[in-house]
Amino acid sequence: EAGVAQSPRYKIIEKRQSVAFWCNPISGHATLYWYQQILGQGPKLLIQFQNNGVVDDSQLPKDRFSAERLKGVDSTLKIQPAKLEDSAVYLCASSLTRAGANVLTFGAGSRLTVL
Amino acid sequence: DQQVKQNSPSLSVQEGRISILNCDYTNSMFDYFLWYKKYPAEGPTFLISISSIKDKNEDGRFTVFLNKSAKHLSLHIVPSQPGDSAVYFCAAINNAGNMLTFGGGTRLMVKP
Repeated sequence: EAGVAQSPRYKIIEKRQSVAFWCNPISGHATLYWYQQILGQGPKLLIQFQNNGVVDDSQLPKDRFSAERLKGVDSTLKIQPAKLEDSAVYLCASSLTRAGANVLTFGAGSRLTVL
Repeated sequence: DQQVKQNSPSLSVQEGRISILNCDYTNSMFDYFLWYKKYPAEGPTFLISISSIKDKNEDGRFTVFLNKSAKHLSLHIVPSQPGDSAVYFCAAINNAGNMLTFGGGTRLMVKP
């Protein structure tokens, strides 16, 4: 079974520029998550999709972050404009369902450095 | 408000000895707990989990203990191996099952 694919793996931009990250979840996984992991901290949920609908985006800074999951498969996370504090690893994860104690499978992450 | 806390940022253990990683939580609505392991430049991978109706779950060298009254869980690795060196994250799910909350992680170093 192929894992969760993410790209790019690394991105360096200057503040106020924009960036987009792409995620392809495991085939058949209905639920997709974007997490932000700042160095030295645990992953923090940004947004959760069930198929192509948003389940939870309460911690997404909507003034600069946006995410979509068209057709309920791939997803993109965009940051515009970026701030220094956005430097982090952006992790995409997927799971079969959102109910119960399902296990999330994570991608390798996209490391963003904002200068 | 950190609902899941791992108070030890790092732990160093000799190969063959026991590693004990601790985790505390504050939200009494959490009813399922997981441990994830993360190597550098990789995403976290699932290690072991425990339901709130149990107080112990064992899988090979890994055992998770849950003390609901103290809102505390721990991961025991016996015997520890150098390949266990990684960052370990404790995570919890509430009984609605719709959000996984992570602790800050503990970096385990197992010395040969």
